Order: sequence, then C-alpha cells, then structure tokens
Amino acid sequence: EAGVTQFPSHSVIEKGQTVTLRCDPISGHDNLYWYRRVMGKEIKFLLHFVKESKQDESGMPNNRFLAERTGGTYSTLKVQPAELEDSGVYFCASSQENRGWGYTFGSGTRLTVV
Amino acid sequence: DQQVKQNSPSLSVQEGRISILNCDYTNSMFDYFLWYKKYPAEGPTFLISISSIKDKNEDGRFTVFLNKSAKHLSLHIVPSQPGDSAVYFCAASEYSGGSNYKLTFGKGTLLTVNP
Repeated sequence: EAGVTQFPSHSVIEKGQTVTLRCDPISGHDNLYWYRRVMGKEIKFLLHFVKESKQDESGMPNNRFLAERTGGTYSTLKVQPAELEDSGVYFCASSQENRGWGYTFGSGTRLTVV
Repeated sequence: DQQVKQNSPSLSVQEGRISILNCDYTNSMFDYFLWYKKYPAEGPTFLISISSIKDKNEDGRFTVFLNKSAKHLSLHIVPSQPGDSAVYFCAASEYSGGSNYKLTFGKGTLLTVNP
C-alpha cells in the first residue's frame, strides 16, 4: 500500500507570503494528524482530523494556520502570512484507529521562511 | 514545559555492543510509550511500544523498559548495527477525551553505531 505522501518536500518562502502544504494519507485511514518539528526541538502536535472533522486543534500555534480536510481524504495546511518562526519540518501522519499509536508518518515538508 | 525529555542529544557505540537510550516523562496520565526511529529526510517510523501497565516489551534486538515510579523508560538495542544509526524519538500517548489521543515527543537522541 502507498504510504503517507506529503508535498512539497521543501519550500522556501519570504516572510509575509502564503504557503500551502498537502498531505495524502494512506487510503482508508480516517485519522490524520499534523505535527511540526522546529530545528533541534521536539516534534509537536498541531491537530487531528477524523475524516473531515477537526477533533483536536489545540496545538495550532495561532490563527495564521488553517488546516482543512475536504471530503475526508487529503489535507492541506495553509500558513498565511508566514513568519520566520514558522520554519521547520511539518509532518503528517495517518492511522486507521485512533489509539494514540500505530501512526504512519510522511517524510515531511521542510519549510524555510526567509 | 517539556513533558517528555531525552537528555542525551547524541550517543555513539561500537557495532555489536549495547545501545541504551533514555527518556523521562512528567505526565502520569500517559498510557502508552513509543519509540520512533528517524533517518534523514524521512518521517519517523514506529519501532516499539509499551503500555503503561507493563514494565518490559521485547521485539527482536529491541527491548523497552518502563519504570513508572521513576517516570523513566529506556530502549535497549542489542547487538547494535551500523544500520541502527538514526535519530530516536521517545513519545508518549495521552487520551484527552472523546476520541482524542495525541503524541508528545522528546527532542530525540542521535545514535551513531560505528563499525
């Protein structure tokens, strides 16, 4: 089965611009998560979808971040406007059941804001 | 405040010897603990887990030990192989109501296994 796919793999944008990251989960996985790792720090939870519904968005840093999952399939994470501190690697993960484990992670999108 | 701490940023061992990676946590509500392995330019991949009601789980060369009273867990790799060289993340799962679980990660430990 295909894994979790994220694109782009890298994005370099200027401060103030908008960037949209995309995640295609494993087919049939209702649970989709976004995590972020800022350089040298821990991987931090951003939010969790079950199908198209946001179950938990307690980790979203601020209202410059908008996540959507139309039709319960792929998800997008938009940052608008981007700030320097948004730089990091954004990981998407999916799972069939939500038991807090058993996630499959994508390779991540490395976002650099200059 | 960090709820999951990996205090060693890096560890270097010789091939064939034991690697021991450590992790401490502060939240008593964590119900599962996991170790993920990450190669450069790849996402974390699940390695092994342990329920909070167990004290040991073994899978081949990998064993995780949990000491709840000390809020400490460790990952043992025996024998270590050069292909084990990667960043290892300790993570903990917490149920937060409804159908909500989330993982809390440590900062990771870079393991280098020298031939």
